Amino acid sequence: RKEVEQDPGPFNVPEGATVAFNCTYSNSASQSFFWYRQDCRKEPKLLMSVYSSGNEDGRFTAQLNRASQYISLLIRDSKLSDSATYLCVVEWAGYALNFGKGTSLLVTP
Amino acid sequence: DAGVIQSPRHEVTEMGQEVTLRCKPISGHNSLFWYRQTMMRGLELLIYFNNNVPIDDSGMPEDRFSAKMPNASFSTLKIQPSEPRDSAVYFCASADRAWNQPQHFGDGTRLSIL
Repeated sequence: RKEVEQDPGPFNVPEGATVAFNCTYSNSASQSFFWYRQDCRKEPKLLMSVYSSGNEDGRFTAQLNRASQYISLLIRDSKLSDSATYLCVVEWAGYALNFGKGTSLLVTP
Repeated sequence: DAGVIQSPRHEVTEMGQEVTLRCKPISGHNSLFWYRQTMMRGLELLIYFNNNVPIDDSGMPEDRFSAKMPNASFSTLKIQPSEPRDSAVYFCASADRAWNQPQHFGDGTRLSIL
């Protein structure tokens, strides 16, 4: 099983700050990439897919660098409700998703 | 629309007992996945079904674990006999086509083996 590595954090940031998470993966053949969000004692939920050209969804921007096998997530204007664990997810073997252990974010007033 | 439905939400039982976890995938999804999540190991894929057929069970930890999918709307994960190290949160997820698609998770079953 190929690995997905994330900084576990925690990242403590004030409301309104911009925060970035990074993730590296080892399977150069992976074709699909996602960011999931998991709240405490809840299930993982899809936040956004990550496309080669980079993509944005409101305050969230995801970037993919295939050459460096690196994925990033940028959150602008952080809200208290953004506090959660963010899971970097990389497809392997076509059907399976390999989940990183997550980066914990705490947004403070 | 109903999401992935799992039951029970919580299960506490003594070691040696049989445990059965249940999952109803999203209607129309033909791929189903069972995961286990612990603090130490994160999310681990246990088994993957496509069109009700087990495709990859290499993540099933040992023979005490078994999974079935008798039809497109129901799957079970069974542990017999259970051990304290099986304590974890077990998630079921489904996807519309397996390849390169995001998966949608159920609420999970929080299992404690005493």
